[in-house]
Amino acid sequence: DSGVTQTPKHLITATGQRVTLRCSPRSGDLSVYWYQQSLDQGLQFLIQYYNGEERAKGNILERFSAQQFPDLHSELNLSSLELGDSALYFCASSTRLAGGPKENEQFFGPGTRLTVL
Amino acid sequence: DAKTTQPPSMDCAEGRAANLPCNHSTISGNEYVYWYRQIHSQGPQYIIHGLKNNETNEMASLIITEDRKSSTLILPHATLRDTAVYYCIVSGSSNTGKLIFGQGTTLQVKP
Repeated sequence: DSGVTQTPKHLITATGQRVTLRCSPRSGDLSVYWYQQSLDQGLQFLIQYYNGEERAKGNILERFSAQQFPDLHSELNLSSLELGDSALYFCASSTRLAGGPKENEQFFGPGTRLTVL
Repeated sequence: DAKTTQPPSMDCAEGRAANLPCNHSTISGNEYVYWYRQIHSQGPQYIIHGLKNNETNEMASLIITEDRKSSTLILPHATLRDTAVYYCIVSGSSNTGKLIFGQGTTLQVKP
């Protein structure tokens, strides 16, 4: 158990819909990261938040957005869903210290499996 | 980002050491080598990281060559539970936090 929790575990929805994935980081971690894992693209970094502020962006689509709340939990919002958005979405968290090699010691949650029909 | 090259798959007998290689010939001076593994669609798990010295923890050892162009992750006594995809990632201060996962090596531990 990494200490990172994600809800829901599974989500099935239809094209065009909007969903919200939730992540609670390990106690004390200020950084939260979102990753997408699909069969054809592998594991891809989407976005990072540090203490409520966006810190780094990867290959995140404009239809996707995220935020980190004052209690440090994070939500990933996916809208206008397409079949190709079906994937595993992982959240990770890391140390309270920004910068430095420890920031890459990330603890991953169990993931949310999204299926778009 | 420095790119990494790993063999797509490897086998290892249970109880033997598993040695997983990684080439990162374009690594720069301030970039670290990180290893993660992913067991069948679970969240990736951090294993170890290093800069230039060899490192050991309770999970594994990391051997980095003197020129830093390659490294080897060693699982000293592989068990069936070590069957997973192993990812070698190079990351430095310019992109800290943004892990770039390649295709990794699928390690199959056999009884």
